[in-house]
Amino acid sequence: GAVVSQHPSRVICKSGTSVKIECRSLDFQATTMFWYRQFPKQSLMLMATSNEGSKATYEQGVEKDKFLINHASLTLSTLTVTSAHPEDSSFYICSAQTGKAEAFFGQGTRLTVV
Amino acid sequence: DAKTTQPPSMDCAEGRAANLPCNHSTISGNEYVYWYRQIHSQGPQYIIHGLKNNETNEMASLIITEDRKSSTLILPHATLRDTAVYYCIVRVAGGNQGGKLIFGQGTELSVKP
Repeated sequence: GAVVSQHPSRVICKSGTSVKIECRSLDFQATTMFWYRQFPKQSLMLMATSNEGSKATYEQGVEKDKFLINHASLTLSTLTVTSAHPEDSSFYICSAQTGKAEAFFGQGTRLTVV
Repeated sequence: DAKTTQPPSMDCAEGRAANLPCNHSTISGNEYVYWYRQIHSQGPQYIIHGLKNNETNEMASLIITEDRKSSTLILPHATLRDTAVYYCIVRVAGGNQGGKLIFGQGTELSVKP
């Protein structure tokens, strides 16, 4: 299957700082990318959908000013967690798809805010 | 909200077939059935998808009932590495509308020696 790479795989940051997570489709062009968050023992929760060159669409209850999403090219989307707090600690996962193809997922980023 | 119902957990003996059921009684005509699995602390892995015909690939088989209200994922010879949470998802394939994968709680499959 297609490869989606996330970076970093884990990050620890201080409360109040911002963290950027990158999601790259390595061998295909992704017209749409999705960002998810997963808390321990829970399922994946969709945060937002981003299409290349346009503003992201956020799910209800997700603060767009706190979770900044940029999808500047067909192979790269970034999620920036601004002014992170301990409650933002979670497993963040991206997925990418093109056209009618199935979506492929990155390996996830473990964020710990201390 | 997720449109599927799955048992929360199942056990399977190593080497035997694992049959994972999924109910999707409100599925629409243009929605596909997708299966993904997530091994602990990793991103979900695509397994298989189908619309109305049964599908088979190198990983698994997907059996969809004629009325499309339920399906079964079959892992023909389960190994210990198949231990994971398996998610059944209905989704409109592609396009600018929909296409979102909404995850339910999934089935935690434990393959035992």
